Amino acid sequence: AQRVTQPEKLLSVFKGAPVELKCNYSYSGSPELFWYVQYSRQRLQLLLRHISRESIKGFTADLNKGETSFHLKKPFAQEEDSAMYYCALTMGGANSKLTFGKGITLSVRP
Amino acid sequence: DVKVTQSSRYLVKRTGEKVFLECVQDMDHENMFWYRQDPGLGLRLIYFSYDVKMKEKGDIPEGYSVSREKKERFSLILESASTNQTSMYLCAYGTSGYEQYFGPGTRLTVT
Repeated sequence: AQRVTQPEKLLSVFKGAPVELKCNYSYSGSPELFWYVQYSRQRLQLLLRHISRESIKGFTADLNKGETSFHLKKPFAQEEDSAMYYCALTMGGANSKLTFGKGITLSVRP
Repeated sequence: DVKVTQSSRYLVKRTGEKVFLECVQDMDHENMFWYRQDPGLGLRLIYFSYDVKMKEKGDIPEGYSVSREKKERFSLILESASTNQTSMYLCAYGTSGYEQYFGPGTRLTVT
């Protein structure tokens, strides 16, 4: 069965510091991976997906199949980045079911 | 801008009550999902539906059932609410690209 592991529950950094939110997965096939974000009092929303290979709000994530990782990175954190972040995986197929990690709270201090 | 709405933002129910949580999407998406979100546990899939009257169990279906009579509406039912079902409940629809779009959530408290 597929699994998504986010090893840390909380990351606290100062504004301007680099950020790396870790995500590891276990799945024998070729998964599609996503990062979702939930800002305070807002709904959970898609941040980025590995297939797009794009940068959103300064965040990037590279799929490393050898290490089965999909870490989220940003070189200079901003206070507005403070939120809960979830990594998610899908096997694809007709039902588009996602498996989520437990999430990590990012706190960016001024 | 596609929207997912949930019938209530906050709900307080008593143990043993039957509870209905409603979710409506305003587009023609086939796949819909119900999750519960708990601190330290992340999002856990309760049930999902890939078409009208179709449903499949997720990872934690015990104590829950669902109904999908119309494509745009997906209901989560707690047959007899218990205190361990106090949680945030999130509804979502899925696209052909596997992205999911979420509603605002219903915070249910069972006393």
